[in-house]
Amino acid sequence: QVQLVQSGTEVKKPGASVKVSCKASGYTFTGYYMHWVRQAPGQGLEWMGWINPNSGDTNYAQKFQGRVTMTRDTSISTAYMELSTLRSDDTAVYYCARDRGWSSWGQGTLVTVSS
Amino acid sequence: QAVVTQEPSLTVSPGGTVTLTCGSSTGAVTSGHYPYWFQQKPGQAPRTLIYDTSNKHSWTPARFSGSLLGGKAALTLAGAQPEDEADYYCFLSYSGARPWVFGGGTKLTVL
Repeated sequence: QVQLVQSGTEVKKPGASVKVSCKASGYTFTGYYMHWVRQAPGQGLEWMGWINPNSGDTNYAQKFQGRVTMTRDTSISTAYMELSTLRSDDTAVYYCARDRGWSSWGQGTLVTVSS
Repeated sequence: QAVVTQEPSLTVSPGGTVTLTCGSSTGAVTSGHYPYWFQQKPGQAPRTLIYDTSNKHSWTPARFSGSLLGGKAALTLAGAQPEDEADYYCFLSYSGARPWVFGGGTKLTVL
C-alpha cells in the first residue's frame, strides 16, 4: 500500500533552516508529483509547492519563493522540503502529499521555531 | 494571488443535508480549477474526500458529493452523521503551472 513517512519533530531557533523528509513506498516514486502543505497551530492549510520527482522541477507558492527548496533523492524514494530563515510564524505541522487525487498524505512533521 | 472563500462555519442536524461552497476571487470556479475537498478532524492529517470537482476515493462515504453550483465548487453532505463533524477545506488550482490555493476552511458542526 502507498505510504508516505515523514521525519520527526524539529525545534529550531529563529534564523535557522529546517529540512523535512518524506519517504515514499508502495508506488513508483517518480510517477507522481509531491506537494508540501503546512498548518500553523489552530489555523488552516497552506500550500507551499510541489516537486516533480522525475525531473526535479519545482513550483513554489509565491509566499515562500526564496526561502523554500524542494528536492528529491530518487535512489531512496524520498522528497525533501527545506525552509530557511525561520521565523516564529513558521511554527507549524508540515505535510507531504502525493499528487493525482491526493490520495496519500504523510503523517505530518511538527516544526517549532522558538528562541 | 487568488483568494479562495468558504463559509467559516455551518451547522447541520443529524440526518440533514448541508452544502459547503468554495468561491474564487478571480471569478467563477470551473472544472479547470480541479476543485478538491479535504476533511480534517482534530489532531489528524487531512483526508481527501473529493478531487477534480466530483471524483471520490474508495474511502469517501457515499453521502458526500462534489459539484459546481452557481459559479462555485460545492460539497454536499446528505444524511449527516455525528462523525462528519470536522473542518472541511477546498483547494483550487490556478494557471498552467498549477499553483494551488486553499480556502480558509469550514467548521461543520453536526448538532
